[in-house]
Amino acid sequence: EIVLTQSPATLSLSPGERATLSCRASQSVSSYLAWYQQKPGQAPRLLIYDASNRATGIPARFSGSGSGTDFTLTISSLEPEDFAVYYCQQRSNWPPITFGPGTKVDIK
Amino acid sequence: QLLESGGGLVQPGGSLRLSCAASGFTSSSYAMSWVRQAPGKGLEWVSTISGSGGSTYYADSVKGRFTISRDNSKNTLFLQINSLRAEDTAVYYCAKGRATTVFFDYWGQGTLVTVSS
Repeated sequence: EIVLTQSPATLSLSPGERATLSCRASQSVSSYLAWYQQKPGQAPRLLIYDASNRATGIPARFSGSGSGTDFTLTISSLEPEDFAVYYCQQRSNWPPITFGPGTKVDIK
Repeated sequence: QLLESGGGLVQPGGSLRLSCAASGFTSSSYAMSWVRQAPGKGLEWVSTISGSGGSTYYADSVKGRFTISRDNSKNTLFLQINSLRAEDTAVYYCAKGRATTVFFDYWGQGTLVTVSS
């Protein structure tokens, strides 16, 4: 089973600041990694797939990078609606499909 | 759109059948999955079924107790949950695979399953 580790657990930033979130895999997942955003009481929303491709309707301020075991989600300038929990997910070697534990981005 | 139903309060050892009605796309073209989230916790993949229904996959934590199925004529996904345990308490989401993958581009609103005596 591929274990995903996310850091930091919590990121406290102000609107307008840049957010950099990390996801590390226990073994290579090539580029088969996705990022999701989840707000309280809502279902997750797909942001990035295959490490760097924005999903339909996702603003350009969200970008993903990385391959192998180390990945980054960057939010270039935080908008008020971006404060949420972010999860990474791999589909390289499944089952099982695995998710990271999440990074909470909250308002400083 | 994905709309789940069937959740509720059930005693340990009990059973439930969750449903997920899909609209706006031909579900037989896509793998469909169930993902759950225990209260205050992260996301946990539960099960996936191929577009045709011919292949199914399960997390070890539910293997032998949960059964995923689909009725493509009705654009509906199911999850039969048996031998429920307290640790199965969660919001259960159905999710559509993007293209031919198991990245999830559409999610339902979730249905809460509570296992308690």
